[in-house]
Amino acid sequence: NAGVTQTPKFRVLKTGQSMTLLCAQDMNHEYMYWYRQDPGMGLRLIHYSVGEGTTAKGEVPDGYNVSRLKKQNFLLGLESAAPSQTSVYFCASSVAIAGANEQYFGPGTRLTVT
Amino acid sequence: EDQVTQSPEALRLQEGESSSLNCSYTVSGLRGLFWYRQDPGKGPEFLFTLYSAGEEKEKERLKATLTKKESFLHITAPKPEDSATYLCAVPKTGANNLFFGTGTRLTVIP
Repeated sequence: NAGVTQTPKFRVLKTGQSMTLLCAQDMNHEYMYWYRQDPGMGLRLIHYSVGEGTTAKGEVPDGYNVSRLKKQNFLLGLESAAPSQTSVYFCASSVAIAGANEQYFGPGTRLTVT
Repeated sequence: EDQVTQSPEALRLQEGESSSLNCSYTVSGLRGLFWYRQDPGKGPEFLFTLYSAGEEKEKERLKATLTKKESFLHITAPKPEDSATYLCAVPKTGANNLFFGTGTRLTVIP
């Protein structure tokens, strides 16, 4: 039981390049989330999904897109990376909505945009 | 406006020196308060959920308590392995996500 896994662990992009971050969970959770963590800012929600085929915007969605084609996977895409997107990205999942149940986090992806 | 404030930002303790971390919050209709531990280079690890004032939960050397305005994470006789950043979070009012504080970075010195 691996829990929540993320790939890649590290990535360096040049401004304007694109990439996709992959999150996978094996806990059969309905809800999945993408956060970014920046120094002094705390974790901020980018997008989330309440089930296969559904996605919704969080607090800081601009510049990102997501897809949830399979229940166990949640993809985060950057179409045209900007230096402001340099951050650590965390995926999380939960049985039900965040207010009712705890979220379980992956190990993170450290992204640097130069 | 929803607000979660954690204090202190950083705390250094000698091994065995007990202390408390604070998380004060402002949300409409609390639907739970969550504590997480985060080690450097890793994702947050769930510790506790508290739902109502007066509730307490314990895990090894950690005890979390909740009042109507704040939560405390009490650390009794800490060990160096308790060194980490401790985060608290509450569900945002009318939203489906957690609102995180910026954390308290705890260092326990042998």
